[in-house]
Amino acid sequence: DSGVTQTPKHLITATGQRVTLRCSPRSGDLSVYWYQQSLDQGLQFLIQYYNGEERAKGNILERFSAQQFPDLHSELNLSSLELGDSALYFCASSVDYLNTGELFFGEGSRLTVL
Amino acid sequence: AQKITQTQPGMFVQEKEAVTLDCTYDTSDPSYGLFWYKQPSSGEMIFLIYQGSYDQQNATEGRYSLNFQKARKSANLVISASQLGDSAMYFCAMREGPNDMRFGAGTRLTVKP
Repeated sequence: DSGVTQTPKHLITATGQRVTLRCSPRSGDLSVYWYQQSLDQGLQFLIQYYNGEERAKGNILERFSAQQFPDLHSELNLSSLELGDSALYFCASSVDYLNTGELFFGEGSRLTVL
Repeated sequence: AQKITQTQPGMFVQEKEAVTLDCTYDTSDPSYGLFWYKQPSSGEMIFLIYQGSYDQQNATEGRYSLNFQKARKSANLVISASQLGDSAMYFCAMREGPNDMRFGAGTRLTVKP
């Protein structure tokens, strides 16, 4: 158990809909990262937050948005969903003052868009 | 530009034998970390091993060792005495300073009985 909690674990929805994925980082971790893993592909970095502020942005579509709340949990919002958005979405967290430390991954949220 | 390269989409190894999974990386940052993660068919990302750019010794964790060749910018994972449970996707990753982690495309390892 990494200590990172993601909900929901599985989600099935239709094209055009909007969903919210939630992540609670490990206790004490200030940074949250979101990754997307499409079928049989590597992990693509979407976005990073540090202590409530956006820190880095990767290949995140304009239809997607995220935020980190004062209690440090984070939400990834996916809107106007398309079939190609079906993927495993990972949240990860880190302490962040250890400059090259490990990221701790949640179990992922598997999104299926029909 | 691709910063992490895994050139082996798939690998096969006989049970109880050793296997090396290749990884090369590219960075100009003197401070970085290199990681290997295992992803079984259930989907979770399992951290295996870490090597810091300033570490003088190669990292080892049980049956896993990281062959770190800094000048060649390679960080190969060696799994000794392969077990059937080692069959999974393996991802090499790099973190430059306190930034996000970037992943390679992965290598699918199959252990044959």
